[in-house]
Amino acid sequence: GIQVEQSPPDLILQEGANSTLRCNFSDSVNNLQWFHQNPWGQLINLFYIPSGTKQNGRLSATTVATERYSLLYISSSQTTDSGVYFCAVAYSGAGSYQLTFGKGTKLSVIP
Amino acid sequence: ETGVTQSPTHLIKTRGQQVTLRCSSQSGHNTVSWYQQALGQGPQFIFQYYREEENGRGNFPPRFSGLQFPNYSSELNVNALELDDSALYLCASSLDFGGNTEAFFGQGTRLTVV
Repeated sequence: GIQVEQSPPDLILQEGANSTLRCNFSDSVNNLQWFHQNPWGQLINLFYIPSGTKQNGRLSATTVATERYSLLYISSSQTTDSGVYFCAVAYSGAGSYQLTFGKGTKLSVIP
Repeated sequence: ETGVTQSPTHLIKTRGQQVTLRCSSQSGHNTVSWYQQALGQGPQFIFQYYREEENGRGNFPPRFSGLQFPNYSSELNVNALELDDSALYLCASSLDFGGNTEAFFGQGTRLTVV
């Protein structure tokens, strides 16, 4: 199956700092999503971005499908950005029913 | 527009028992997928239901089973519970089957097996 690697696994930022999270995947995909998991466990949709660039406020994401990676940018980080960020992909091969998740990046933003 | 809702939010069961978890899909969505998330890990795909039929299955034993109803809500049933089944169970709904449409997740059910 498809492999998804996220880096870094852990990240500690001072409030106001910027950060870049990376997601590498091993095969062609027709879906890529970024999620933020809050402390209660809910996965919050950030971006649906199988290719291209999108922005939403302080967050933006870029997926370069031909090179099999995606980046999530967080600018001017706030303490409420803390949590685990997951990248999930669905590969474009046969039987592509599910999202395959990376292990996540745990972000801690300190005041 | 109603989001994805799951019930119950927390559950404690004894090893060997059976459990049923429930999920209401987002309005207009006909596909429901279930995921298991162990502590410190990313969610793992269990199975997907599209228009009341199982449409794909991950690497989980047959004691994990499911149903989808005509209103597209869904149940996850786990028989003969094991300690390793303790996890957060997440339900996702989407507009269509397969993995190529945006999925939206519920808040999860945290299952503890003792």
